[in-house]
Amino acid sequence: DTAVSQTPKYLVTQMGNDKSIKCEQNLGHDTMYWYKQDSKKFLKIMFSYNNKELIINETVPNRFSPKSPDKAHLNLHINSLELGDSAVYFCASSGLLNTGELFFGEGSRLTVL
Amino acid sequence: QKEVEQNSGPLSVPEGAIASLNCTYSDRGSQSFFWYRQYSGKSPELIMSIYSNGDKEDGRFTAQLNKASQYVSLLIRDSQPSDSATYLCAVTSGSARQLTFGSGTQLTVLP
Repeated sequence: DTAVSQTPKYLVTQMGNDKSIKCEQNLGHDTMYWYKQDSKKFLKIMFSYNNKELIINETVPNRFSPKSPDKAHLNLHINSLELGDSAVYFCASSGLLNTGELFFGEGSRLTVL
Repeated sequence: QKEVEQNSGPLSVPEGAIASLNCTYSDRGSQSFFWYRQYSGKSPELIMSIYSNGDKEDGRFTAQLNKASQYVSLLIRDSQPSDSATYLCAVTSGSARQLTFGSGTQLTVLP
């Protein structure tokens, strides 16, 4: 069984559309994260959720909204997509908040045309 | 100023050699230090963590931390072509222990 799974793996969409990426972890972890990796491979945290509460929200546009129905799931919804949103989005989880020991999903490559 | 800096490479070493990857960080109060490996098209995978000054060895990998110099390194002994990947340095800092990644060093091990 995959520990952290994301769907879909690939999204190609037009500017202005809305899209969602789903993430599930079966590790029993309390904290989940969304990271964005740009074309230069720079990984930047977007959100973290601990026991369904948003802990970190970096300077991310409010077009991005995380939703966590339970501690095993953290979905990412993006409104009004822009060209600059094209990137690989990684979901991750950890047993404790901000330990630095993360388990990553396979990533979702978003291309905005 | 970047919080976590790495040479982007590419770094090429012959098979069997020692690969040395370096990382510096700006926050002197940083608490924990990590090395992640990311194969092309794949997700990052944690390979080493180090929390106190000195060396930590795990198989062919050795992490070295020098807090006074704000420097952390990863040595890979007996490098194999399968070690070819991007290596990401990551550091926790601040009261929230936020994890910040460097931009990674691309390593190629030549057979």
